[in-house]
Amino acid sequence: GESVGLHLPTLSVQEGDNSIINCAYSNSASDYFIWYKQESGKGPQFIIDIRSNMDKRQGQRVTVLLNKTVKHLSLQIAATQPGDSAVYFCAESLGLSSGSARQLTFGSGTQLTVLP
Amino acid sequence: GAGVSQSPRYKVAKRGQDVALRCDPISGHVSLFWYQQALGQGPEFLTYFQNEAQLDKSGLPSDRFFAERPEGSVSTLKIQRTQQEDSAVYLCASSLRREKLFFGSGTQLSVL
Repeated sequence: GESVGLHLPTLSVQEGDNSIINCAYSNSASDYFIWYKQESGKGPQFIIDIRSNMDKRQGQRVTVLLNKTVKHLSLQIAATQPGDSAVYFCAESLGLSSGSARQLTFGSGTQLTVLP
Repeated sequence: GAGVSQSPRYKVAKRGQDVALRCDPISGHVSLFWYQQALGQGPEFLTYFQNEAQLDKSGLPSDRFFAERPEGSVSTLKIQRTQQEDSAVYLCASSLRREKLFFGSGTQLSVL
């Protein structure tokens, strides 16, 4: 029979261009957010995190932006490389600031494909 | 090794069979999590340990799922009487605190 699966949002970019991956999170009380990268056959790999008392954080070639007003998170990758091709997940958690952090809740992911 | 290690990498089970999935966390990591990932979806929380104590098992889908971490290091996720809907990748993650989880490569379970 026909298999029903979730079709991931996809983003295709040319090698060397900048990529922007967006995520809408669900809980306005969440106070901690992480971006993970997952390559085929591997577990999620930590990229960058941000706490709710910040609106921007930069890493190596990556920047995370947080807009709490509209519950939106974005990941910007500069000078995208073929090795960046993967599925990218945002995840949220709440209670971190009070020491009672609950488990991470993951979004559905975006498939990034880097074209040569 | 330096990372989270999971075994077996692949497991094929007949419906009704019991399975046990193993996780070796990063040495010294207090927190250990199990997640279930269906094809094309994000990981979904199953259970959480702090040392040997199972502090949250709210994500376990049924009483056929059981997890333990008796000495606060290695953890085992056991699924009894497996069903086809149990087919998924089971991910283990560990962390020093509750944020910034480090994931293993997972065990891909296929129930026939």
